[in-house]
Amino acid sequence: GDSVTQMEGPVTLSEEAFLTINCTYTATGYPSLFWYVQYPGEGLQLLLKATKADDKGSNKGFEATYRKETTSFHLEKGSVQVSDSAVYFCALRKNTGGFKTIFGAGTRLFVKA
Amino acid sequence: EAGVAQSPRYKIIEKRQSVAFWCNPISGHATLYWYQQILGQGPKLLIQFQNNGVVDDSQLPKDRFSAERLKGVDSTLKIQPAKLEDSAVYLCASSLIGLGPENIQYFGAGTRLSVL
Repeated sequence: GDSVTQMEGPVTLSEEAFLTINCTYTATGYPSLFWYVQYPGEGLQLLLKATKADDKGSNKGFEATYRKETTSFHLEKGSVQVSDSAVYFCALRKNTGGFKTIFGAGTRLFVKA
Repeated sequence: EAGVAQSPRYKIIEKRQSVAFWCNPISGHATLYWYQQILGQGPKLLIQFQNNGVVDDSQLPKDRFSAERLKGVDSTLKIQPAKLEDSAVYLCASSLIGLGPENIQYFGAGTRLSVL
């Protein structure tokens, strides 16, 4: 079945370090891909998205490129801040049938000052 | 614009008791979702409504879980009777339209349920 696999956390970085959180997916067809962020005590917020192969989603310094050949959607940021500490979820959304969204298990990021 | 409202924020019950969660979506959003998020896992869709009709409830444990969305606006999710494994955060989300690749879901803060 369709699934999303993320690198396990927690990921601990110092401020201004480079961030990569790996995400790969398994799906039939051509899903849309998303990154959501969850800050402590809050619901999930959409961070960025890409709806077709080779699209690059970007927001708040984060970016991810939809790579169909490697079925990946890795999240990157050039210089993290303490305020980026949160849980990051990779997700795919089927574009047929009920358009169900399937989430990865999440990766917790800690950024130290 | 007001976000997705959920209540209560926290609930502690004993196993075999019943519990209900309430969600008020963003005004004008036709699609409403209930997710279960177990600690350390990503959200899992329980049920999806389009207006007041059910689009997908394939992962809803129907022997104990029920949900309704009367009048196509707010929604209630109920568990009766609760089991220990129901301990999780229950997230409600809404979107303007449910179908299409550009759909964006907006999430509430969730209700954290502990079953003792």
